[in-house]
Amino acid sequence: GAVVSQHPSWVICKSGTSVKIECRSLDFQATTMFWYRQFPKQSLMLMATSNEGSKATYEQGVEKDKFLINHASLTLSTLTVTSAHPEDSSFYICSASLRGTRFSTNTEAFFGQGTRLTVV
Amino acid sequence: RKEVEQDPGPFNVPEGATVAFNCTYSNSASQSFFWYRQDCRKEPKLLMSVYSSGNEDGRFTAQLNRASQYISLLIRDSKLSDSATYLCVVNIPTGNQFYFGTGTSLTVIP
Repeated sequence: GAVVSQHPSWVICKSGTSVKIECRSLDFQATTMFWYRQFPKQSLMLMATSNEGSKATYEQGVEKDKFLINHASLTLSTLTVTSAHPEDSSFYICSASLRGTRFSTNTEAFFGQGTRLTVV
Repeated sequence: RKEVEQDPGPFNVPEGATVAFNCTYSNSASQSFFWYRQDCRKEPKLLMSVYSSGNEDGRFTAQLNRASQYISLLIRDSKLSDSATYLCVVNIPTGNQFYFGTGTSLTVIP
């Protein structure tokens, strides 16, 4: 089955530093990947849609200069949290849809394992 | 207005009980519908897709009502292992976006 791998699974960083999170589709090519953020006891909130070879599409209220997204290849998207602050501490999850691939005619999404970011 | 609305619960039910969750969506252009399960501090995992005709997978039954724009999930004979958060997810073809409900917390009690 389709696998999406996310790395690192957890990270602790100092305030003001930048953190890069990688999301890879291991056995399929994903032209579109999605980045979500989830605060405790809240739902996943879509941050941005990452399009291979073009600029990401950000949801309203998400700062594109703070959350840099790069989708350089069909199997890799990265999210960089720049100048992280304690309020950026959250659970970040990427996903990729199988739409248009050989795996499924449906549009279900598969998720990476998530990255728990703690900024101190 | 949120794309997807879901009762957050919590639902605390005894083992063996039947429990139902509902979810409404606002965009009539929504095309695909899913229930995901999320365990604490883990990523969501697909529980089942929801089809117009309704579908069943063991103890789980999902239904879709396009006219009223709601989706339901029924769990029969609840097990302790069913304790989790259940997320209603809607896919909108434009931009291939996925929108999540807030999740409904279920705890099955021995």
